Amino acid sequence: QVQLQESGPGLVKPSETLSLTCTVSGGSISSSSYYWGWIRQPPGKGLEWIGGRHFGGSTYYNPSLKSRVTILVDTSKNQFSLKLSSVTAADTAVYYCARHTDGSGWYSVYWGQGTLVTVSS
Amino acid sequence: SYELTQPPSVSVSPGQTASITCSGDKLGNKYACWYQQRPGQSPVLVIYQDTKRPSGIPERFSGSNSGNTATLTISGTQAMDEADYYCQAWDSNTYVVFGGGTKLTVL
Repeated sequence: QVQLQESGPGLVKPSETLSLTCTVSGGSISSSSYYWGWIRQPPGKGLEWIGGRHFGGSTYYNPSLKSRVTILVDTSKNQFSLKLSSVTAADTAVYYCARHTDGSGWYSVYWGQGTLVTVSS
Repeated sequence: SYELTQPPSVSVSPGQTASITCSGDKLGNKYACWYQQRPGQSPVLVIYQDTKRPSGIPERFSGSNSGNTATLTISGTQAMDEADYYCQAWDSNTYVVFGGGTKLTVL
């Protein structure tokens, strides 16, 4: 059973960089069939896709966030990470990591439990 | 950019059939999937590739996708199905896109 677990600071100051890590267990992050992605959900609102990366390097970002987002994959640790720069209060959200299945509409069977990140001074 | 539109809310009586729609330009040419999200929990995939159910998802959940509309149908709706439902598709320009979500109320 694949499991994903987010980790990182729960509080980030405005204008700083949000950094989160997702640790994958029960499966290899080096599988060719999947992209590893991040989705967020502001309190009381809907889901917003941030981006996804294949272990081979292919990366897709939400065009509205592309200028501030970096997603990396670390195969040695079976982890992937999210960096979101120049954050504001609008970036306050629950951040989920997920495994996207390539080539089939990018559906996600496996999700992390989510971690709340608050942007505040 | 590509957009998916869902009704904000749908109500259904227990035991009846609930239908939640998701509209997007030529959505029928793309794969659609659906997630269920209960309060305070992570989304759960209930339909993928338009019509397929993941392991463990009850048979009362079904999906269709044609033209500009994908539909999630819940037959014999139960109180435990009360949740938010999100459609999702992949677009070549916008990549992963979620609908705004539909709150299903079972009353």
